[in-house]
Amino acid sequence: QVQLVQSGAEVKKPGASVKVSCKASGYVFTNFYMHWVRQAPGQGLEWMGIISPTDGTTTYAQKFQDRVTMTSDTSTGTVYMDLSSLRSEDTAVYYCARPFLGSGSFLHWGQGTLVTVSS
Amino acid sequence: DIQMTQSPSSLSASVGDRVTITCRASQGIRNYLSWYQQKPGKVPKLLIYAASTLQSGVPSRFSGSGSDTDFTLTISSLQPEDVATYYCQKYNSAPWTFGQGTRVEIK
Repeated sequence: QVQLVQSGAEVKKPGASVKVSCKASGYVFTNFYMHWVRQAPGQGLEWMGIISPTDGTTTYAQKFQDRVTMTSDTSTGTVYMDLSSLRSEDTAVYYCARPFLGSGSFLHWGQGTLVTVSS
Repeated sequence: DIQMTQSPSSLSASVGDRVTITCRASQGIRNYLSWYQQKPGKVPKLLIYAASTLQSGVPSRFSGSGSDTDFTLTISSLQPEDVATYYCQKYNSAPWTFGQGTRVEIK
């Protein structure tokens, strides 16, 4: 079965960077795009961007364009989301999410990674 | 970018009530719309895709309708386990924008 397993919680200081991983299994890694979504405490879902695991092509939400980098490692079946210049407003749970075949809807989600930005 | 606006932002209804949540796109998105349910502390769960197709395993009391700019999620008979926040999301093209969410509670 499809599994997306994310790295553990992080605590970072303002101005630092964080790199969250999402290891995929149970399917052909290069057959599906991967998305990143975040959710600040008590807030809604916010789409951050998408990566093609095959060639690393990315599209980012404009809000994160200057600070986010998404990469993939086909040898390990892992995608990464790197967010730089962290500020307190970046405190959130970060999810990777994968659509299912024939749709852009997110059927599969990672368990989420809490990133806390605090001085 | 296309904006997704949900209403209401929250609602309270009795068990057995029919509940309707609306989602409006600022431009046409055909039927490229999903609905998700998120219970507190849990990962979002896909309920409906392609505006009206029920995801496998989702109770039939959930239904979706609409196309282009106006969409609806209906719970035909609200159950206690339906307490959650519901989100719509467009996926016709980037960005894959979510609505702001609708919190559903039991009266």
